[in-house]
Amino acid sequence: DAKTTQPPSMDCAEGRAANLPCNHSTISGNEYVYWYRQIHSQGPQYIIHGLKNNETNEMASLIITEDRKSSTLILPHATLRDTAVYYCIVRVANQAGTALIFGKGTTLSVSS
Amino acid sequence: GAVVSQHPSRVICKSGTSVKIECRSLDFQATTMFWYRQFPKQSLMLMATSNEGSKATYEQGVEKDKFLINHASLTLSTLTVTSAHPEDSSFYICSARDKIPGRQPQHFGDGTRLSIL
Repeated sequence: DAKTTQPPSMDCAEGRAANLPCNHSTISGNEYVYWYRQIHSQGPQYIIHGLKNNETNEMASLIITEDRKSSTLILPHATLRDTAVYYCIVRVANQAGTALIFGKGTTLSVSS
Repeated sequence: GAVVSQHPSRVICKSGTSVKIECRSLDFQATTMFWYRQFPKQSLMLMATSNEGSKATYEQGVEKDKFLINHASLTLSTLTVTSAHPEDSSFYICSARDKIPGRQPQHFGDGTRLSIL
């Protein structure tokens, strides 16, 4: 799986958009970008994933650059409950038998 | 959506005892289950991968005789920490992969916080 690089921490004001970057310059053509988050003392929660096109769901939007070497997770209106560690993971979809490997992620702190 | 139930959520026990943690996939069949461990202020570290009906594959540095994994059915995996000591205190998280591929590569339980006195 390709390596990812994320800033260790970010701050965001409540109600504003939170933009979390992720670099994955060695990504392969068949690797997807997955985002999970972990709220304190809970298991990781799936947010969104994508291959080439931008994606949006009820939780967030994922913007992937045209060269696919980086992406940005956008929480359009951050709330205090969005305070968590956000993990960007790159891997082949439906890769049987292999686990998601977590890096250090970005700690997002949302404040009022 | 797919739910992974982990039990107990918290356990405190004396040094030397063995502790069993259960992980169940509630509304799907899991061909593969994964166990992670997380120390304070650190990321999740993969401990082992188990497939239903076969022996688990352990990551380097994880003692298979200390962390016994049983994956007897497509909906249940157990992790037993044998003769636990204070250094085994950690947050243990299980994860399951659906037999039918979907959006998410893995579904996670809410973790078990183990404290050894």
